Amino acid sequence: NAGVTQTPKFQVLKTGQSMTLQCAQDMNHEYMSWYRQDPGMGLRLIHYSVGAGITDQGEVPNGYNVSRSTTEDFPLRLLSAAPSQTSVYFCASSYRWEPPRETQYFGPGTRLLVL
Amino acid sequence: GNSVTQMEGPVTLSEEAFLTINCTYTATGYPSLFWYVQYPGEGLQLLLKATKADDKGSNKGFEATYRKETTSFHLEKGSVQVSDSAVYFCALYNFNKFYFGSGTKLNVKP
Repeated sequence: NAGVTQTPKFQVLKTGQSMTLQCAQDMNHEYMSWYRQDPGMGLRLIHYSVGAGITDQGEVPNGYNVSRSTTEDFPLRLLSAAPSQTSVYFCASSYRWEPPRETQYFGPGTRLLVL
Repeated sequence: GNSVTQMEGPVTLSEEAFLTINCTYTATGYPSLFWYVQYPGEGLQLLLKATKADDKGSNKGFEATYRKETTSFHLEKGSVQVSDSAVYFCALYNFNKFYFGSGTKLNVKP
């Protein structure tokens, strides 16, 4: 298994540009989520999904969109990038019903710089 | 609401010293509690977990006990190694969402 993969590893954007961060997992996990990691603030949940076709907001959803058309993929879209979205983004996945079902596997992260 | 508070770092210890990283939480209902570790340039890895009160999670010499009466989940290790140098995150899971603390950086000197 490749586990959780994220692309790109690093991206530079100009203010106002849009882009999609890709996340994929090959473990047949129902639950997938996106976090951003900022210095001194830990990880904050942006959006999550409990299965294909189902998404919901986390703590900091503004400026981001997600969709979940397949079990494997969970892309994160920045509609109009802002400097405040400069961060490291992590995707994670887990089985929803595995006991204990809350074990998450994290991707390697995408470092985003918005100028 | 749900939140996690952990001690600020960095924590600097000599090899073989005893480690404690404090973590307290606020939550409704019955959350599960976790410690994750992040090595430089990598994603987070699950270190240990506890899913109900009085459970003790353990892994690689690290331990933490879910204390509902004090709403705490402190991480301990009896003898740290240089290879334990990393950032440690306390987290809780409740109603489909994870909440993370701000992280504590541990530096272990030979």
